[in-house]
Amino acid sequence: GESVGLHLPTLSVQEGDNSIINCAYSNSASDYFIWYKQESGKGPQFIIDIRSNMDKRQGQRVTVLLNKTVKHLSLQIAATQPGDSAVYFCAERNNAGNMLTFGGGTRLMVKP
Amino acid sequence: GAVVSQHPSWVICKSGTSVKIECRSLDFQATTMFWYRQFPKQSLMLMATSNEGSKATYEQGVEKDKFLINHASLTLSTLTVTSAHPEDSSFYICSARPHSPGYTFGSGTRLTVV
Repeated sequence: GESVGLHLPTLSVQEGDNSIINCAYSNSASDYFIWYKQESGKGPQFIIDIRSNMDKRQGQRVTVLLNKTVKHLSLQIAATQPGDSAVYFCAERNNAGNMLTFGGGTRLMVKP
Repeated sequence: GAVVSQHPSWVICKSGTSVKIECRSLDFQATTMFWYRQFPKQSLMLMATSNEGSKATYEQGVEKDKFLINHASLTLSTLTVTSAHPEDSSFYICSARPHSPGYTFGSGTRLTVV
């Protein structure tokens, strides 16, 4: 079936550096993508979203890039802080349905 | 912002017993809610879509008779794990889609079956 996957399971960065988390998706029919942050023992927390008719969207310290040609999604975190340490998931929504499919997750570790 | 409340946050039960998990949308109505299961160091896997006033839609491989879903009102969906076994131990998370961006998730329920 369709799936959403990630290239890197763990990313370690120095505090203050920029982080880039990548995600590959396979369902060309997906029309909506979301990045979530999940801390240990908690539910996913919304970070930023993007629709398929856009290729870039910026939030506070975060930017999501969407490349539909290669079915690639990325999350950029500027000036990474220790509080950013968590597991990050990308999720896609198939335009034929209402549910989200999650990628495998990347653990971001921020070194002080 | 939109809040989804999930209860309990953790539960320990004996093998063979049933456990009910509640998911409530606190400040919006949700005709549809989603139930996910997450094993340690793994991603969220959709179990079923809960539809208010009608039967839930289960994903392939999820036993509907084991994971009973009831969505009796626009703000409450429940997941009952029946005849629980140790392999059912997992982190269960519900979700709903408010008018605000994204899908809002509950805080999750850690189920341990002993």
